[in-house]
Amino acid sequence: EVQLVESGGGLIQPGGSLRLSCTASGFTISSKYMNWVRQAPGKGLEWVSVVYTDGSTYYEDSVKGRFTISRDNPKNILYLEMNGLRADDTAVYYCATGRPSFDYWGQGTLVTVSS
Amino acid sequence: EIVLTQSPGTLSLSPGEGATLSCRASQTIISTYLAWYQQKPGQSPRLLIYAASSRATGIPDRFSGSGSGTDFTLTINRLKPEDVAVYYCQHYGSSPKYTFGQGTRLEIK
Repeated sequence: EVQLVESGGGLIQPGGSLRLSCTASGFTISSKYMNWVRQAPGKGLEWVSVVYTDGSTYYEDSVKGRFTISRDNPKNILYLEMNGLRADDTAVYYCATGRPSFDYWGQGTLVTVSS
Repeated sequence: EIVLTQSPGTLSLSPGEGATLSCRASQTIISTYLAWYQQKPGQSPRLLIYAASSRATGIPDRFSGSGSGTDFTLTINRLKPEDVAVYYCQHYGSSPKYTFGQGTRLEIK
């Protein structure tokens, strides 16, 4: 059974850094397109980043240069390193598999950027 | 950049009725790259339909997708109370670029 469990969220001050993790089970993350999708409180869904099976990485424009997606294949964990956090980065962050659609989703982890 | 516009914003219907949710793209898109998701209150999104009309694993046949070009539809037949949710359409484009519509909220009276 495919399972995705996010962790690492919390309250962080503007300008701070945070690393989110997504621990996968039931499949090998290196064999799938792995994404981060976020949802600001009371708002819609916004794609953030993807790492392809060949290791290529892509980002939504507003996070380019600030966020880094990576994966630890032996541990089967997907990461999102977030630097220079801003108030508008406040959201629940989901990891999700697939391309062109998102087949499986985790339960999400809340990141709150506030002083 | 492709923009997806969903309508209506909110839909309020009675159990047993049918619902029609619209997703309109700002330019012609490939049907293969259009998906629909259901997000129930307090839950993560769930894939309902991929490639515009294919049901995802475990999705009942009350849910169906159709459309092409710029106009796509999610139809839900025989509404049940558990269908209360926000429904999103999503497009995958080159670059890559993943775009979501703003969502349609479905209420059951």
